[in-house]
Amino acid sequence: GQQLNQSPQSMFIQEGEDVSMNCTSSSIFNTWLWYKQDPGEGPVLLIALYKAGELTSNGRLTAQFGITRKDSFLNISASIPSDVGIYFCAGQPFSGSARQLTFGSGTQLTVLP
Amino acid sequence: GAVVSQHPSRVICKSGTSVKIECRSLDFQATTMFWYRQFPKQSLMLMATSNEGSKATYEQGVEKDKFLINHASLTLSTLTVTSAHPEDSSFYICSARAFSEQYFGPGTRLTVT
Repeated sequence: GQQLNQSPQSMFIQEGEDVSMNCTSSSIFNTWLWYKQDPGEGPVLLIALYKAGELTSNGRLTAQFGITRKDSFLNISASIPSDVGIYFCAGQPFSGSARQLTFGSGTQLTVLP
Repeated sequence: GAVVSQHPSRVICKSGTSVKIECRSLDFQATTMFWYRQFPKQSLMLMATSNEGSKATYEQGVEKDKFLINHASLTLSTLTVTSAHPEDSSFYICSARAFSEQYFGPGTRLTVT
């Protein structure tokens, strides 16, 4: 089945630094989504990408849909303490009636003051 | 954005009893809802896809007789964990699809004693 490799697994950064994380897939996806999950909460959608090569921003967050349709990255600029959490990428296949999401393993982000 | 609610947020039950978790899409109709399970420090694992008015589609390894799913309306899906055991203790999260994006509920923490 489809697999997503997300890296890094965890990051410790200083407040104000920029962050980059990425996901690669063994197969093509039609849509890439990036979520953030706080402890004890459900994932919250940050950015959705629909076209190969698409670059989309949401405040300090920027994400890109890789041109091969097999990868995506998320950048966070000027990190702040509330950026702490687990970030998941998720891919949605091109076909299939349900088009379930496949999730990456997550990146645990810690922001040090 | 689209809002998905879950109830209860936390539940503790005794081994052998059944527990029902509700998932509602509050401001949109969802023909398809998804149920996930998440263990500590792990990614989300899809359990089943819930389709309004029809039987749910379960992922491989998920017992359909143990995890009963009912999607009786376009805004409500329920997951019933029957004859719960301690190994069923986990964080259960539902999601609903609105257009091409999935929105998640806040999750339900189930503890079976």
